[in-house]
Amino acid sequence: DADVTQTPRNRITKTGKRIMLECSQTKGHDRMYWYRQDPGLGLRLIYYSFDVKDINKGEISDGYSVSRQAQAKFSLSLESAIPNQTALYFCATSARTGFYGYTFGSGTRLTVV
Amino acid sequence: KNEVEQSPQNLTAQEGEFITINCSYSVGISALHWLQQHPGGGIVSLFMLSSGKKKHGRLIATINIQEKHSSLHITASHPRDSAVYICAVRDDKIIFGKGTRLHILP
Repeated sequence: DADVTQTPRNRITKTGKRIMLECSQTKGHDRMYWYRQDPGLGLRLIYYSFDVKDINKGEISDGYSVSRQAQAKFSLSLESAIPNQTALYFCATSARTGFYGYTFGSGTRLTVV
Repeated sequence: KNEVEQSPQNLTAQEGEFITINCSYSVGISALHWLQQHPGGGIVSLFMLSSGKKKHGRLIATINIQEKHSSLHITASHPRDSAVYICAVRDDKIIFGKGTRLHILP
């Protein structure tokens, strides 16, 4: 099983619909992140969480919300999806201490029509 | 705000060639990451370094803190190395470069 699992892998949804992307991890990492990737723009941070009670906005949080249900689970919601939220979404985790690296999920390709 | 610049943006080379991808950043950092994104989209962390040099198989990463520059080298390149290579730096948060698309021809 993957260390960081994202569901769904692919999703097509209509404008105005609410959608949730889920992320779960078995790394035991405290820190979890949601990024979106658009062609030519690289990865941009949406939200991050350093533990269950800690949620922080990233550089592009408008239109998104998150929930850290447990140490291992971090969900991203689009309350009312719009076409410019079409992108590849990644969840990532990292450890709290030391010189930590990242572990990424496989990504969710979201298309809003 | 830290700016991360990668060069080249795209690189096509023949199998066996020595590959160098560069990353420059504008302000001091605590760590630099090199990531590999496969054509299917998955991202793998290759290296994290804060000084000197690290080697893993045919991949070598170096960083020069004074010059705010890092390089990723691939020796004896192979078509399976074809991917997007992403540099990311950490000051108070992680900032990603836009990636270098590498294509190795057989």
